[in-house]
Amino acid sequence: SQKIEQNSEALNIQEGKTATLTCNYTNYSPAYLQWYRQDPGRGPVFLLLIRENEKEKRKERLKVTFDTTLKQSLFHITASQPADSATYLCAPRLNAGNNRKLIWGLGTSLAVNP
Amino acid sequence: NAGVTQTPKFQVLKTGQSMTLQCAQDMNHEYMSWYRQDPGMGLRLIHYSVGAGITDQGEVPNGYNVSRSTTEDFPLRLLSAAPSQTSVYFCASKRGNQPQHFGDGTRLSIL
Repeated sequence: SQKIEQNSEALNIQEGKTATLTCNYTNYSPAYLQWYRQDPGRGPVFLLLIRENEKEKRKERLKVTFDTTLKQSLFHITASQPADSATYLCAPRLNAGNNRKLIWGLGTSLAVNP
Repeated sequence: NAGVTQTPKFQVLKTGQSMTLQCAQDMNHEYMSWYRQDPGMGLRLIHYSVGAGITDQGEVPNGYNVSRSTTEDFPLRLLSAAPSQTSVYFCASKRGNQPQHFGDGTRLSIL
């Protein structure tokens, strides 16, 4: 079955540093992969989408990479701020025949310390 | 522009009771879905709809019913609540291949 793995441990970093979050997937090849942010008591909010034919995508301080050989996506937040503290969810899109759906990771909790 | 609105935000039920979780969106999105989020598990799709009058089952549909009589509304019904349905429920909507917009969830406890 399809499986998604994100950093299981919470990530604590110092303000101003770069946070790097990992998303590994097995047993399928997603057509694209999405990253969402979720704050406590709130629903997920979309951040970035990267397609299988794209190596890298950027949006302001955010950068996503997609390595289909390693079956891995990395999510970077540069010049991190305490306001970036949240849980980040990875969601590759399964695209096999009639079975098209997002598979959601458990998320990685990020804490940026001032 | 309110986006996706879910009501109620919190609810406590007794085993066997029924209730409806409401979801409304004002973005004219054709696709709407319901997820549940539990500790140690990723978001799991319960039911979804690709347009008014059309619904389909997701990954964990048992114990839940849905209907889609209008583009805006997509209620989720629990016919006979069970403790295993204690969870946080999220409604989401989207247009075409665009990313999903989520509501802020309903936190449901079943005693």
